[in-house]
Order: sequence, then structure tokens, then C-alpha cells
Amino acid sequence: QVQLQESGPGLVKPSETLSLTCTVSGGSISYYYWSWIRQPPGKGLETIGYIYSTGSANYNPSLGGRVTMSVDTSKNQFSLKLTSVTAADTAVFYCARRGQLMYLDLWGRGTLVTVSS
Amino acid sequence: EIVLTQSPATLSLSPGERATLSCRASQSVGTYLAWYKQKAGQGPRLLIYDASNRAADIPARFSGSGSGADFTLTISSLEPEDFAVYYCQHRSSWPWTFGQGTKVEIK
Repeated sequence: QVQLQESGPGLVKPSETLSLTCTVSGGSISYYYWSWIRQPPGKGLETIGYIYSTGSANYNPSLGGRVTMSVDTSKNQFSLKLTSVTAADTAVFYCARRGQLMYLDLWGRGTLVTVSS
Repeated sequence: EIVLTQSPATLSLSPGERATLSCRASQSVGTYLAWYKQKAGQGPRLLIYDASNRAADIPARFSGSGSGADFTLTISSLEPEDFAVYYCQHRSSWPWTFGQGTKVEIK
């Protein structure tokens, strides 16, 4: 079955760029929307943005233009970059698929990213 | 953006009891609302979509209702694996937002 796996550094310094990749296994990345969601420790879920397999993307305005997403269909991966991070960006980051039901029907296990010097 | 407010924050119940969770939107989302279950250390799992439709492989004890701005998730008889945190989420407009969650804990 289709599975998602987040990967990337677990520690990022303040003012630097957070970079994560989500690998899709067991199925194709094509013809779906793919999303990033984050969850600060002990808090709720926040949608960061989504990207279609062709590369068109939409980002949450609350992140003030600090987000860029990309997709690599040859590797069945999509990626997240978040610039100028602060401690407030410390969170578990999830990648997820927006399925045919138009909701997030498949999620990765999440990866904790801590912003600290 | 649309704010989703869930209540109660915590629900303390025993296995076999009925759980009723509420989600209220700051403006109408039609029926574009989903419910997710999250267990510790795991990503959320889609339970209900479009307010009242069960996702694949979700047991019949889970049901959703509502439209507009008021929604309810009901678990008819709690099983041990149902004790978790539940989130509502809308897709009515961008950005999609989530409620802050309701924790269903064992009494």
C-alpha cells in the first residue's frame, strides 16, 4: 500500500532554512495533491501548504512568504523549504496526501524539527 | 481564515460509553468538514469526510453529522483503541484549518 516517509535534519539553527523531503512509496506521486502540515509540541495542527504533482502550489498566508514546495516525480518525492526559522517553528512536520475524497487521507508518521542554536 | 472551535477539550469516559464531540466553525463551511483521529506518535487518520461519510475501513460506531457551522462526531460505544485525540478540519476555503482537538481519555 502507499506509504509516506518524512526525512530531513532534526535540528535547525535560528534564521536558517528548514528543508524536509517526503518520499512516496507503493504508489505514484502523479495526479494527486500533496501537503505539509505541522504540529508544535502539545498543540494543534496547522496546514503549511500543498502542491500538485505538476508543481503548482498554494501556501498558507500565515507563514508570510517563507514557504516553498517542490515535487520530483522521477524520485516520487516532494519537498518543503521554510526560511528564516525561529523557535516558534519547532514542530512535528507531517506530509500527507489529499486523496480523491479531497481530504488528507494518507499521512506520514511525522518528523520533529527543533529550531535552536 | 475560518476558525474551528472544538468542545470539550477533554472527555473522560469508560469503554462502552457513548462519546459526543463538537466542532463549531466561525462561518459556514457547508458540509466540507472532516474528522481525524490521532494517537500518540502517529499521524492523524481520516475518519469522516464531508461531515457524515465514513472513510474506508472506519467502523460503523463512528458517525458524523451537521452542516453549516455546527458539527458532531459520535462514537456510539467506545472501544479501547478509540481513546485518542480527535480533530475536525474544513476544506471550505484556503487555508484549510483544524480545530484544537478533543482528547478522549479513559475515566
